[in-house]
Amino acid sequence: ILNVEQSPQSLHVQEGDSTNFTCSFPSSNFYALHWYRWETAKSPEALFVMTLNGDEKKKGRISATLNTKEGYSYLYIKGSQPEDSATYLCALDTGRRALTFGSGTRLQVQP
Amino acid sequence: DGGITQSPKYLFRKEGQNVTLSCEQNLNHDAMYWYRQDPGQGLRLIYYSQIVNDFQKGDIAEGYSVSREKKESFPLTVTSAQKNPTAFYLCASSSSGQVEDTQYFGPGTRLTVL
Repeated sequence: ILNVEQSPQSLHVQEGDSTNFTCSFPSSNFYALHWYRWETAKSPEALFVMTLNGDEKKKGRISATLNTKEGYSYLYIKGSQPEDSATYLCALDTGRRALTFGSGTRLQVQP
Repeated sequence: DGGITQSPKYLFRKEGQNVTLSCEQNLNHDAMYWYRQDPGQGLRLIYYSQIVNDFQKGDIAEGYSVSREKKESFPLTVTSAQKNPTAFYLCASSSSGQVEDTQYFGPGTRLTVL
């Protein structure tokens, strides 16, 4: 089974801090990398899908980069707000058109 | 109001009983998926279906069965052969199942086997 690693497991930051998480994956057989945000008592919702080496995506204060050759993706949150508190999941598609998820990074933003 | 519905939200069953979890979508999506989450772990793929009347085993299919007789429905049966069925189950769908397609998730069903 494919191993998708996320670090750190959890993170506590103060409101206004910028933060970043890492998703690591085997670089062979890469087709697409997905990032999802999962807030407590809600369903996971998609943030980004990246398919090309060097891809950079941005949505408001959240951005992501992708390096398929070395097998990692970074998710950045600029100026964290309490509403950013959630678990951030990355997931890999190796071409089977189904996702393998990492265990997530749980972010808590203190006001 | 388009989306994915899963019912019930909480389900309790006695050990040794089969139980079927419902997943319905009205997004007109071709592909549907079932995941399981255990504490401290990510989502693990149980089964997926790219098209009606076809489905594939995911990473942890043992003890589970599915059917895809209608485009909008993808029920999951947790059989008595599943050794640790207590978990949170999430259903998802995507437009065409292509690698770049976003998956949309339902609210989940928490199954507890007593």
